[in-house]
Amino acid sequence: QLRLQESGPGLVRPSETLALTCTVSGDAIRSSSDYWAWIRQPPGKRLEWIGNIDDSGTTFYNPSLKSRLKISVDTSRKQFSLEVSSVTAADTGVYYCARHGGLKLAYDYWGQGTLVAVSS
Amino acid sequence: EIVMTQSPVTLSLSPGERATLSCRASQSVTRTYISWYQLKPGQAPRLLIYGASTRATGIPARFSGSASGTDFTLTISSLQPEDFAVYYCQQDYDLPYTFGQGTKLEIK
Repeated sequence: QLRLQESGPGLVRPSETLALTCTVSGDAIRSSSDYWAWIRQPPGKRLEWIGNIDDSGTTFYNPSLKSRLKISVDTSRKQFSLEVSSVTAADTGVYYCARHGGLKLAYDYWGQGTLVAVSS
Repeated sequence: EIVMTQSPVTLSLSPGERATLSCRASQSVTRTYISWYQLKPGQAPRLLIYGASTRATGIPARFSGSASGTDFTLTISSLQPEDFAVYYCQQDYDLPYTFGQGTKLEIK
């Protein structure tokens, strides 16, 4: 069973950078086409895909956020990270990390999510 | 961007009843790339269905998925108390990957 856990500040000031880390533990069947993802849910809104990264560091970003995003991976530490720069109140929400399983073509493992509020 | 539209927004049913949740894609999506998730407060989201109709590991047989063109359906044959939650459909056929707005399944 794979376990994912988000960590990072719960409060970020407007115009600053939101930074979160996802730590992966446990074991699960892997495929070469697996990748790691960040997904968020603003209050009262639908889930929003932020971006993906694979173990080689190849990224795909949501075009609506791309200019402010950086997703990175550290396979030796079994972690991947998210940075969102120049945040506003619209970036408030629950942030999830997840694995996109290449065999299922779906997000098969998720973290519990962490609430990040953007406020002064 | 592919817009996923779910209906109804809220579904009020009693335990034991059958639930039918719908999801429509704004353009053609290969069914391989359609998934359904269950969200409960404070818990990790749970993959229920992938490939439009394949149950994920450990998902009870009362959950089933189907597809017809751009319409996708999640059916829960006989609701159990633990099934009352919010359900989302999702496509990762085309960037940006998108989710529906969710259907809240509540106890009547």
